[in-house]
Amino acid sequence: IAGITQAPTSQILAAGRRMTLRCTQDMRHNAMYWYRQDLGLGLRLIHYSNTAGTTGKGEVPDGYSVSRANTDDFPLTLASAVPSQTSVYFCASSSEGGNTEAFFGQGTRLTVV
Amino acid sequence: GQNIDQPTEMTATEGAIVQINCTYQTSGFNGLFWYQQHAGEAPTFLSYNVLDGLEEKGRFSSFLSRSKGYSYLLLKELQMKDSASYLCAAMDSNYQLIWGAGTKLIIKP
Repeated sequence: IAGITQAPTSQILAAGRRMTLRCTQDMRHNAMYWYRQDLGLGLRLIHYSNTAGTTGKGEVPDGYSVSRANTDDFPLTLASAVPSQTSVYFCASSSEGGNTEAFFGQGTRLTVV
Repeated sequence: GQNIDQPTEMTATEGAIVQINCTYQTSGFNGLFWYQQHAGEAPTFLSYNVLDGLEEKGRFSSFLSRSKGYSYLLLKELQMKDSASYLCAAMDSNYQLIWGAGTKLIIKP
C-alpha cells in the first residue's frame, strides 16, 4: 500500500540522548516536511525539503536537523534531546509543495524525560 | 504576523449541520486547506480553496472569502464518525502552511 511510514510510533528518551525519527514515502513525492503537534497549538513546521538534496528551516528548527539523501527518506535527528521536545511528530509529503494536499505519516509520540 | 483563528471546541447533534469558522492572516495567500484529524491519528485532507466561493464535496463543503480572510467548513447530516478535530491551514506567499490549533467537534446522539 502506497503511503508514508514513520518509525518508531512511540519512544521514551532520556534527556541528552541523540534520537533519529525515520520517515519513508513511496509516492515519489518531491516535497517532505516534519511537523510537531502540541496540545492547544497548531502543527508547527520544523524542517522541510522541496526536493532531494535540499532542505530548509521551518518555524521551530532549533535542536533538530534533517537530511534528504534521496526522494524517499527524510530522517529527523534530535542531537541532544530536551524535555521541551516532548511532542507528537508528523512527517508529511506532497507531490510539488504549493497547492497540493499533504499526506501524513501516522506520527511518532516522543517523550523526553 | 501570521495567524489562524478557529474555535477550540464545538458540539453538535447527530444528523444536524455544523459550520466551523476559520479566520486567517498571512503574508500573501496561496489557498486555504481543511484537514480532519481523529484522536491519535494523522491529519487527512478534506478540501482546498483558492478562489472565493463554495466548494461542495459530498456531505462536506468549504467556503472562502479572500477579501475577509475567512473560511468555513460545513458538515451536513452529521454522523458519529465525524467526531474529530478539524484543522484549518492557510498557505502563505512562500507556499508554507500556517496551521490553526484545530476545532474539536463532538457529536452527540
